[in-house]
Amino acid sequence: GDSVTQMEGPVTLSEEAFLTINCTYTATGYPSLFWYVQYPGEGLQLLLKATKADDKGSNKGFEATYRKETTSFHLEKGSVQVSDSAVYFCALSDRNFNKFYFGSGTKLNVKP
Amino acid sequence: GAGVSQSPSNKVTEKGKDVELRCDPISGHTALYWYRQSLGQGLEFLIYFQGNSAPDKSGLPSDRFSAERTGGSVSTLTIQRTQQEDSAVYLCASSFASGIQETQYFGPGTRLLVL
Repeated sequence: GDSVTQMEGPVTLSEEAFLTINCTYTATGYPSLFWYVQYPGEGLQLLLKATKADDKGSNKGFEATYRKETTSFHLEKGSVQVSDSAVYFCALSDRNFNKFYFGSGTKLNVKP
Repeated sequence: GAGVSQSPSNKVTEKGKDVELRCDPISGHTALYWYRQSLGQGLEFLIYFQGNSAPDKSGLPSDRFSAERTGGSVSTLTIQRTQQEDSAVYLCASSFASGIQETQYFGPGTRLLVL
């Protein structure tokens, strides 16, 4: 069945460091891919998405490219800030868009 | 505007008791999802409602779990005869419609602890 695997955390970085959080997926057909973020004390919110191969989603300085050949959707940011400290979830949806499959989340801690 | 709200925010119950968790979606959103997040795990899809269509219950883990959505708005997730393994955070999300173009908005969750 469809599934998402993302790197385990926590990930601890210094401010202005480069961030990569790996995400790979298994799916039948052509899913859509998402990154959600959960800031401390807040609900999950969509960070970015990509709906087809080679699409790049971007938001708030974060980027992720839908790589069909490697079944990956790695999240990157060139220079992280303390305010980026949160838990990041990779997710995919089936083509019926009724079901979403989430990874286990990666906690990011950014130190000043 | 108001976001998705859930109540209670925390619930502690004894094994074997029934619990009801409530979700108030954003007004006008026709799609509503329930997820479960166990400790250290990702979100597990439970059930999906779209308008007046029959819900997709394929994610419900057992027949002790049920959900309803009255009037196309408020939804209640009921867990009967709770077990300790039901302890988790239960998240509700809503979207304007079903589809990848529609962003899901998540509520803050209900943290359930079964003793």
